[in-house]
Amino acid sequence: QTVVTQEPSFSVSPGGTVTLTCGLSSGSVSTSHYPSWYQQTPGQAPRTLVYNTNTRSSGVPDRFSGSILGNKAALTITGAQADDELDYYCVLYMGSGISVFGGGTKLTVL
Amino acid sequence: EVQLLESGGGLVQPGGSLRLSCTTSGFTLSGYAMNWVRQAPGKGLEWVSRISGGSGGSTYYADSVKGRFTISRDNSKNTLYLQMNILRAEDTAVYFCARRGYDSGRPLYYFDSWGQGTLVTVSS
Repeated sequence: QTVVTQEPSFSVSPGGTVTLTCGLSSGSVSTSHYPSWYQQTPGQAPRTLVYNTNTRSSGVPDRFSGSILGNKAALTITGAQADDELDYYCVLYMGSGISVFGGGTKLTVL
Repeated sequence: EVQLLESGGGLVQPGGSLRLSCTTSGFTLSGYAMNWVRQAPGKGLEWVSRISGGSGGSTYYADSVKGRFTISRDNSKNTLYLQMNILRAEDTAVYFCARRGYDSGRPLYYFDSWGQGTLVTVSS
């Protein structure tokens, strides 16, 4: 069974840039996996940030950008703010109607 | 405004059943595939199931719930359902309904709108 991997935690300085990644336990992530990214405040519903690898959802600031870096999908946050200190999840489409979430990354801004 | 509102959660014993509902408004439900996503306490998100748009002729499930959960829809009532049978302690989670997203009229594999979730607790 393929596992979608994310860094469990990451730290960034205020104003800094951080790149979170989303990989596969076996194989490479490509645009055919339609990578998408979600931000979640604990106890609340997720917020859609990026879909189809690099398309920002409506209302999402351009500080958030998606891409494929090497064999992984990536979410880059530039000019990190205190409000960005939340949980981030990626989702990959695995075919046959199946989507799989990564384990999530807890981002710390300090 | 797109709105999704889950209901039907609660406390159920292991082996029991529960049916969740997701009442939608602000869009035509029949035009969209819909999903259920869950989150166990203190854990990450897990995709559970998807149903195709229209009459819902195609359904898909995560291995963890296949054979126990059934997704369905009633477009006339603007409502999505998740019938959960043979519940286990590991099914304890907040269950979110989420709409499949589109871009320029093309369906894509992502979730563009979310409900606030309903808590299911499986315990004796």
